[in-house]
Amino acid sequence: AQTVTQSQPEMSVQEAETVTLSCTYDTSESDYYLFWYKQPPSRQMILVIRQEAYKQQNATENRFSVNFQKAAKSFSLKISDSQLGDAAMYFCASLSLRGGNKLVFGAGTILRVKS
Amino acid sequence: GAGVSQSPSNKVTEKGKDVELRCDPISGHTALYWYRQRLGQGLEFLIYFQGNSAPDKSGLPSDRFSAERTGESVSTLTIQRTQQEDSAVYLCASSSNRGYEQFFGPGTRLTVL
Repeated sequence: AQTVTQSQPEMSVQEAETVTLSCTYDTSESDYYLFWYKQPPSRQMILVIRQEAYKQQNATENRFSVNFQKAAKSFSLKISDSQLGDAAMYFCASLSLRGGNKLVFGAGTILRVKS
Repeated sequence: GAGVSQSPSNKVTEKGKDVELRCDPISGHTALYWYRQRLGQGLEFLIYFQGNSAPDKSGLPSDRFSAERTGESVSTLTIQRTQQEDSAVYLCASSSNRGYEQFFGPGTRLTVL
């Protein structure tokens, strides 16, 4: 079974600064994917970034990047130049193709951005 | 449509009543998923459809919960004899044949009084 753990219930960052959200996971599968989703108060789940486990290179999407440490089963999200619109709940999730394609989510981290 | 849609957006019901929640996936997406999100928590998987069949129902919490999908399109999640612990946001997602990227709808907030 897959599990995902987010140990930071809440984080704060000053506008324009950098923040890192932590995530660890556990899986016995060799073929899996990892994701960060953003959920603003509107409830809409928005995909921020994804990482294929077989790729060693860390994924990046504009101001968002990950630090994927496969041996440590760690998958942190770095947000650079934080903006007020980044304030939301962030969820880390894993997906195993042998596990029925279902996403397994962490409990989430609330990110507050201070102006 | 351009994205996944769900209806109703909000549903308030009395304990013991049945409710139906609807999901319209992105056109052409063969896979459809239902998740439940209790207040302040992460999403819990409920059920997965590939086409019209449901190879994974492992997340349905009790036999009061059921879901169907017709025409490889619309899906309905039915909760019978609702209980207060069923109060949550129910989210639907769909994905293409490639399978691994899921696109979410806005969810239905269910409140059981």
